[in-house]
Amino acid sequence: EAGVAQSPRYKIIEKRQSVAFWCNPISGHATLYWYQQILGQGPKLLIQFQNNGVVDDSQLPKDRFSAERLKGVDSTLKIQPAKLEDSAVYLCASSFLRGGYEQYFGPGTRLTVT
Amino acid sequence: GNSVTQMEGPVTLSEEAFLTINCTYTATGYPSLFWYVQYPGEGLQLLLKATKADDKGSNKGFEATYRKETTSFHLEKGSVQVSDSAVYFCALSDLPDSGNTPLVFGKGTRLSVIA
Repeated sequence: EAGVAQSPRYKIIEKRQSVAFWCNPISGHATLYWYQQILGQGPKLLIQFQNNGVVDDSQLPKDRFSAERLKGVDSTLKIQPAKLEDSAVYLCASSFLRGGYEQYFGPGTRLTVT
Repeated sequence: GNSVTQMEGPVTLSEEAFLTINCTYTATGYPSLFWYVQYPGEGLQLLLKATKADDKGSNKGFEATYRKETTSFHLEKGSVQVSDSAVYFCALSDLPDSGNTPLVFGKGTRLSVIA
């Protein structure tokens, strides 16, 4: 079974530039999450989708971050404009909709903002 | 709100030593508790979980018991190997599974095992 795919794996940009990350969840997984992991900290939820609808985006900085999951499969997370404090690893995870199933994590995208 | 506190690392052990990584939590309800592991260059993987008080999760020689009275979920292994070197995260979710609820993570503990 293929795992959660993310790209790119690494990205370096200057502050005020924009960047986009892509996630392809495991086939059949209706729930998709984006987490932000700052160096030395645990992952923190940014947004949760069920199919193509947003379940929780309360911790997403909406003035600069946006995310979409148009067809209930792939998802894109965008930052515009980036700030230095956005330097982090962005993790995508997916799971089946019903309870009792594990969340599977992708390898992450490491973003460095200079 | 919900939170997880785990011991700070790094932890350095010799091969075959006993491992304990402490984890305590704060939650309003009856959360499920998890340990995730992140090996170098890889994504987070579920190591073990427990969904109710007194449950013991176990996998690959690691164990953790859900202690409601002390709000703890300490990770233990009797004899560590070099291949156990990784970062370990304690996490919780509000509902009795992690299938469709976000996880709240601790800061992670880096373990290095030397031969």
